[in-house]
Amino acid sequence: GQNIDQPTEMTATEGAIVQINCTYQTSGFNGLFWYQQHAGEAPTFLSYNVLDGLEEKGRFSSFLSRSKGYSYLLLKELQMKDSASYLCAVIRPPSYQKVTFGIGTKLQVIP
Amino acid sequence: GAVVSQHPSRVICKSGTSVKIECRSLDFQATTMFWYRQFPKQSLMLMATSNEGSKATYEQGVEKDKFLINHASLTLSTLTVTSAHPEDSSFYICSAYASGGGRHNEQFFGPGTRLTVL
Repeated sequence: GQNIDQPTEMTATEGAIVQINCTYQTSGFNGLFWYQQHAGEAPTFLSYNVLDGLEEKGRFSSFLSRSKGYSYLLLKELQMKDSASYLCAVIRPPSYQKVTFGIGTKLQVIP
Repeated sequence: GAVVSQHPSRVICKSGTSVKIECRSLDFQATTMFWYRQFPKQSLMLMATSNEGSKATYEQGVEKDKFLINHASLTLSTLTVTSAHPEDSSFYICSAYASGGGRHNEQFFGPGTRLTVL
């Protein structure tokens, strides 16, 4: 089975740093995605991790520990436009494309 | 990045009618596309995998006779919701992967279709 857990809501201040955690218990693992989704819109790609460690891309970084079934998305220098839902998604073997999504973490950035 | 389009973006229909949603990859070919459904405040749920030139594969609990999928070409997949009912009202999103050119394993989503069944 597939079980992906992430906090449902978080609030952070503009300019600050926020870390969104995701834990997963899945029957196999072929990689993990983070997506950003604004209300009423489709998700947009943020990051992809398949090996342990930190992947940095501008203000966004994503970390993966396969042994712990754990990932986090780190957002730095928060901006008001970062208010959105952040979805953790795990690729399910044997596919390298089919994913299971977590429920998403709704982040609210306040002034 | 690669572009995936969906049409229509929003549709309102009467109960019992059928609705067709198109998903197109605009600047790349996609042998496989995916259809998701998202209810309010819930996660995206994979409905089916659309395969060019062959039958779609459906996730458990998704009625294949109700949600007809046709992958007519390498750039077009269609989802038809047959005999729609109010409980089918949802946000339907398609996706496709673009491989190569530095976009390894990156999934691109269409903008979604908001279906409301009265």
